[in-house]
Amino acid sequence: DGGITQSPKYLFRKEGQNVTLSCEQNLNHDAMYWYRQDPGQGLRLIYYSQIVNDFQKGDIAEGYSVSREKKESFPLTVTSAQKNPTAFYLCASSITRVYNEQFFGPGTRLTVL
Amino acid sequence: AQKITQTQPGMFVQEKEAVTLDCTYDTSDPSYGLFWYKQPSSGEMIFLIYQGSYDQQNATEGRYSLNFQKARKSANLVISASQLGDSAMYFCAMSETGAGSYQLTFGKGTKLSVIP
Repeated sequence: DGGITQSPKYLFRKEGQNVTLSCEQNLNHDAMYWYRQDPGQGLRLIYYSQIVNDFQKGDIAEGYSVSREKKESFPLTVTSAQKNPTAFYLCASSITRVYNEQFFGPGTRLTVL
Repeated sequence: AQKITQTQPGMFVQEKEAVTLDCTYDTSDPSYGLFWYKQPSSGEMIFLIYQGSYDQQNATEGRYSLNFQKARKSANLVISASQLGDSAMYFCAMSETGAGSYQLTFGKGTKLSVIP
């Protein structure tokens, strides 16, 4: 079945640690995205990538980093510089055209202890 | 200024009744797309319906329809014959040609509760 997988589902981190969230898609989509969701805030874009080896900052990129070495994979690293990382993180992918439906993964819930 | 505004934080609807979730948007781009997503308590985002700025007809997908009023910049979602499984968060989102990034801008969402 085609789709997007994210792992882990739940992640706990101690303050000062970097953690990496995995996102893999087998939909052959060129574009991939990372969103952060806080209660009452909707989804906010962290980073996006429209092609392998290229990515752009979204609205809230500070304290995060990404890589796009393969078309299928777009991992997100939450660094110790991110002041308030506890949130729900969603990965998505789409084809690259304006009228694009984004397909979402099941999400990773990150909690900083 | 917010690009997508959803003014109803929460809504209640009786089972089998219709409900309208409001969405207004702000853009100067003549070419844009409007989307609605559903997010159940499990957290997954489920695509419901799409409307392009140049589409003449309102979009429909089963029990979902989008009431597109371009002059008012409104794109309300109508759910007919509500079911208990419709209880979820609903998000309106927009993509703009000028952005060039194919990204979506989301509203803050409306929590819909269907009452038996």
